Amino acid sequence: AQSVTQLGSHVSVSEGALVLLRCNYSSSVPPYLFWYVQYPNQGLQLLLKYTTGATLVKGINGFEAEFKKSETSFHLTKPSAHMSDAAEYFCAVSLSGGYNKLIFGAGTRLAVHP
Amino acid sequence: ETGVTQTPRHLVMGMTNKKSLKCEQHLGHNAMYWYKQSAKKPLELMFVYSLEERVENNSVPSRFSPECPNSSHLFLHLHTLQPEDSALYLCASSQDPSDSYEQYFGPGTRLTVT
Repeated sequence: AQSVTQLGSHVSVSEGALVLLRCNYSSSVPPYLFWYVQYPNQGLQLLLKYTTGATLVKGINGFEAEFKKSETSFHLTKPSAHMSDAAEYFCAVSLSGGYNKLIFGAGTRLAVHP
Repeated sequence: ETGVTQTPRHLVMGMTNKKSLKCEQHLGHNAMYWYKQSAKKPLELMFVYSLEERVENNSVPSRFSPECPNSSHLFLHLHTLQPEDSALYLCASSQDPSDSYEQYFGPGTRLTVT
C-alpha cells in the first residue's frame, strides 16, 4: 500500500532562516509527488509537483523540492522563511497509471517567528 | 467566480437533519472529488467523479451520498450524521482524472454535527 510520512507535525523557524519540511513515501510503482499548502480557513493550494524528468522541482513562493528515489524522499525547502509562509504543508503521492487518488501525509504546521 | 467554490462555508446540523453541501468549479475540469479533513488525521479521499460518473467510493458510509449532475457541480447529501462526522469537507477538481494532473481545492465547508 502507498503511504506518505511527514516527519514533524510542527516546525518552527526564524524569519530569514532555511525552511526544511520532510516527506518520505512508500510506493510500489513510480509515484507522482505533490506539495500543497493550506492557510487558515482556506483550501489547499498546490506549491509544486514532480511527475517525470528533472528531480529538482521549483514551485511558487520560492519553494522547491527534490525527488530522491534512493531515499524515497521529497523534502520541501525554502532558503529564507517569510512570515507569510506560516501555514500547514501537506505532501501527497498519486500512483502512475491509475485514477488521480492523492494519498496525503498528516501535514506539518510551519510557524515563522521574528 | 473563479476556481472552486463551496457553499455553505459553515454548517451546524443535528443528527436527524438532512443537508447538502455544494461545490462548483469554474475551471472547465472533467473530474471532481470530495475529501474529509478531520483534526489530527490525514485528508481522506471520499469520492471521485469523472465526467459525472462516480469512479471511486472509498468505503464511505451511506449517510454520505454524492451527486454530480454535470461536470461543473458536485453535491454531498448528508443525513443522520454522527458527531464524529464533524470535519472540514473539501471539494477539488482536476482537468482529467488521470494521476498527473494537480487538483484544485475549494475553501471547504466546516461541518459540525451536534
